[in-house]
Amino acid sequence: GAGVSQSPSNKVTEKGKDVELRCDPISGHTALYWYRQSLGQGLEFLIYFQGNSAPDKSGLPSDRFSAERTGGSVSTLTIQRTQQEDSAVYLCASSPYRPDTDTQYFGPGTRLTVL
Amino acid sequence: AQSVTQLDSHVSVSEGTPVLLRCNYSSSYSPSLFWYVQHPNKGLQLLLKYTSAATLVKGINGFEAEFKKSETSFHLTKPSAHMSDAAEYFCVVTTGTASKLTFGTGTRLQVTL
Repeated sequence: GAGVSQSPSNKVTEKGKDVELRCDPISGHTALYWYRQSLGQGLEFLIYFQGNSAPDKSGLPSDRFSAERTGGSVSTLTIQRTQQEDSAVYLCASSPYRPDTDTQYFGPGTRLTVL
Repeated sequence: AQSVTQLDSHVSVSEGTPVLLRCNYSSSYSPSLFWYVQHPNKGLQLLLKYTSAATLVKGINGFEAEFKKSETSFHLTKPSAHMSDAAEYFCVVTTGTASKLTFGTGTRLQVTL
């Protein structure tokens, strides 16, 4: 079956612009996660969704970052007023239900470059 | 709290020789442990996972890992390296009270002829 898909695969934007990153999880997976991979910080957790609710937003680095999930499926990560330090690969993952034991399946990522 | 330490940032082996990638974890509760692999410009792929069943876990591509509670370790091994194993490997921990994976800093495996 289809895996996790993300779009766009690459995004170049100017400092101060807003960007939206999209994630389509595996069908039927109730749990969805966003992570960020950057050279200086490694792989960092951003936010976890269970259905349309986000019980854990502890990894969002600032109020410029927000995310939503609709219909228990597609999720959008929005970064407002982008800064150069936001440049990174943004990874989305989904799992059947439980974050602690279920395998998380990762998408290919969106590479964001802020000029 | 949970954390994971990958003891080597870079490991180089010759093709056909054994691979050992070291990982130590810290967790307040019984952990679940994973190894993920990331090939250049590719997504993260699960190699294997431990979730409190058998302590010796076999994964894909001939990799295996052993959960040792007394040593708080979860080292990844493979008897014979192949050129296609060259990639970045991440040790990952989570617990029943957590909603996220905590990644180690990664070990880059280089395989030479």
